[in-house]
Amino acid sequence: EIVLTQSPVTLSLSPGERATLSCRASQSVDYNYLAWYQQKPGQAPKLLMHRVSTRATGIPDRFSGSGSGADFTLTISRLEPDDFAMYYCQQYGLSTTTFGGGTKVEIK
Amino acid sequence: QVHLVQSGAEVKKPGASVKVSCTASGYTFTDHYLHWLRQVPGQAPEWMGIINTSGGTSTAAQKFQDRVTMTRDTSTSTVYMELSSLRSDDTAVYYCAKAEGGVLRFPHWGQGTLVTVSS
Repeated sequence: EIVLTQSPVTLSLSPGERATLSCRASQSVDYNYLAWYQQKPGQAPKLLMHRVSTRATGIPDRFSGSGSGADFTLTISRLEPDDFAMYYCQQYGLSTTTFGGGTKVEIK
Repeated sequence: QVHLVQSGAEVKKPGASVKVSCTASGYTFTDHYLHWLRQVPGQAPEWMGIINTSGGTSTAAQKFQDRVTMTRDTSTSTVYMELSSLRSDDTAVYYCAKAEGGVLRFPHWGQGTLVTVSS
């Protein structure tokens, strides 16, 4: 099973700042099958990115993904009030998937 | 537009079973498998299993193989997840989700069902 480690656990930033979230895998992620989700309290996770850098439908371009192999990054270029939430990375395949422990982006 | 609507919150005693439903709309139900995931409070989501909505077969993650049963009713476009021998650490929000691209990435989720296991 691939273990995903996200850092930092908490990121305290102000609106308008840049957020950089890290996701490190215990082994290389095949086919760059790495996704990012945003989750707000009381809501289901929302898919933001897949295949590392492909934005899901309706996701604004201030969100971007990068990385390869076992090291991945989600960047939010300029934080808006709606972006303060929990973020999870996920590696996925045809029949297996695991999620990272999450990074909370909070208002400083 | 894909819409997944789940049944309401449940409170169960240890050792009991719970059955959560998920009704799909906005697409052809039998054309796509559906998945179950859960999220223990303060933790990341965890994949539980998948059901073939056409044939009715299912596969559960090893952790849940002995305790989970997934079924479907094509007449109502509904899938069910029953978890037995409940323990306090089964307290979680349970989600159904529809994957895309033939892989386990999830653009579509139900609203979640909170299951609380408490004596």
